[in-house]
Amino acid sequence: SQTIHQWPATLVQPVGSPLSLECTVEGTSNPNLYWYRQAAGRGLQLLFYSVGIGQISSEVPQNLSASRPQDRQFILSSKKLLLSDSGFYLCAWSADTNQPQHFGDGTRLSIL
Amino acid sequence: QQQVKQSPQSLIVQKGGIPIINCAYENTAFDYFPWYQQFPGKGPALLIAIRPDVSEKKEGRFTISFNKSAKQFSLHIMDSQPGDSATYFCAASKLGGNEKLTFGTGTRLTIIP
Repeated sequence: SQTIHQWPATLVQPVGSPLSLECTVEGTSNPNLYWYRQAAGRGLQLLFYSVGIGQISSEVPQNLSASRPQDRQFILSSKKLLLSDSGFYLCAWSADTNQPQHFGDGTRLSIL
Repeated sequence: QQQVKQSPQSLIVQKGGIPIINCAYENTAFDYFPWYQQFPGKGPALLIAIRPDVSEKKEGRFTISFNKSAKQFSLHIMDSQPGDSATYFCAASKLGGNEKLTFGTGTRLTIIP
């Protein structure tokens, strides 16, 4: 069966520090991969999605970037974190664009 | 035109009652409407989904009702239990492309014993 892993589960970082969140999927090949941010009292906002290695689409201009160095690995990065980057970050995968998205358990990021 | 409006923001229902969560969308191109259930500290999990070719879909105690002309859909939970207490998100997308789910803002449901 397919599983998705995100780490770390929680992270506290100072303003201006770099960020790297990792997401890996097991049990499937060539998945579509997604990064979302969930802010309190709001829905999930799609940040990036990828349909293949090295193929990244950005949904909103921001301080973050994403990379897909391997088929089942999706990384969310920042060179310099802002206070506004705090939130709950979720990675998701789908088998293709006609299949449901399945979410990981997220990373709670707090910027101090 | 990409919004999905969800209500209520929070809901408290007694055990055995039928909580109803409503969503409305604007983009008539949307043709896939999933509901996700999220427990604290966890990612959302797909609960049930509907396509606009049917007006209702049931899976266990969960039912989606869909009104295409009104561009509205709702989630009903029959015989609700305390274990159903969670945040529920509706979403919508257009299948067949690089799909991006547009999510509602969520409903925090509490089922009291």
